[in-house]
Amino acid sequence: KAGVTQTPRYLIKTRGQQVTLSCSPISGHRSVSWYQQTPGQGLQFLFEYFSETQRNKGNFPGRFSGRQFSNSRSEMNVSTLELGDSALYLCASSAGGPGTEAFFGQGTRLTVV
Amino acid sequence: GDSVTQMEGPVTLSEEAFLTINCTYTATGYPSLFWYVQYPGEGLQLLLKATKADDKGSNKGFEATYRKETTSFHLEKGSVQVSDSAVYFCALSPRSGGYQKVTFGTGTKLQVIP
Repeated sequence: KAGVTQTPRYLIKTRGQQVTLSCSPISGHRSVSWYQQTPGQGLQFLFEYFSETQRNKGNFPGRFSGRQFSNSRSEMNVSTLELGDSALYLCASSAGGPGTEAFFGQGTRLTVV
Repeated sequence: GDSVTQMEGPVTLSEEAFLTINCTYTATGYPSLFWYVQYPGEGLQLLLKATKADDKGSNKGFEATYRKETTSFHLEKGSVQVSDSAVYFCALSPRSGGYQKVTFGTGTKLQVIP
């Protein structure tokens, strides 16, 4: 069974640009969550999608957005990039029930210069 | 809100030493509890889990017991190997609320020396 796939693995962008990250969950999983990992803030929850609907959202500015498609694949978009957006962005897939375990992809390393 | 507190690292141990990484949590109700491990340059891997009080999760020689009375989920391993060197995250996920969300501790870096 294939795991969670995130693309691309690495990205370098310039301040002010926008970026789109992609995540393909484990087959059959309908929940996709996104997390930001930085040395200073640790792992922070961005948002969760289930069956194309955002069910929960973390405390991030509106520049961070996401969506989920009917095949459960998800994309995350960050507009007007700032230097502080440099981070490892992790996608997690789960069967969707509260309290169920989340399986993570290898992440996308975003560097904003 | 929910939170997870785990011991500060880094933790440096000699091969075959006993490992304990402390973890306590604050949550409404009875969440599911997890330990994840992250190797350099990688994402998070689920190491073990427990879903109710007194459950013991175990995997690859690691164990943790869900202690409701002390709101703790300490990670232990009897004999660590160099290959166990990684960052370990304690985490919880609420079992109510109609959504899936994991709250993580700050992570504990483990270095095992030969």
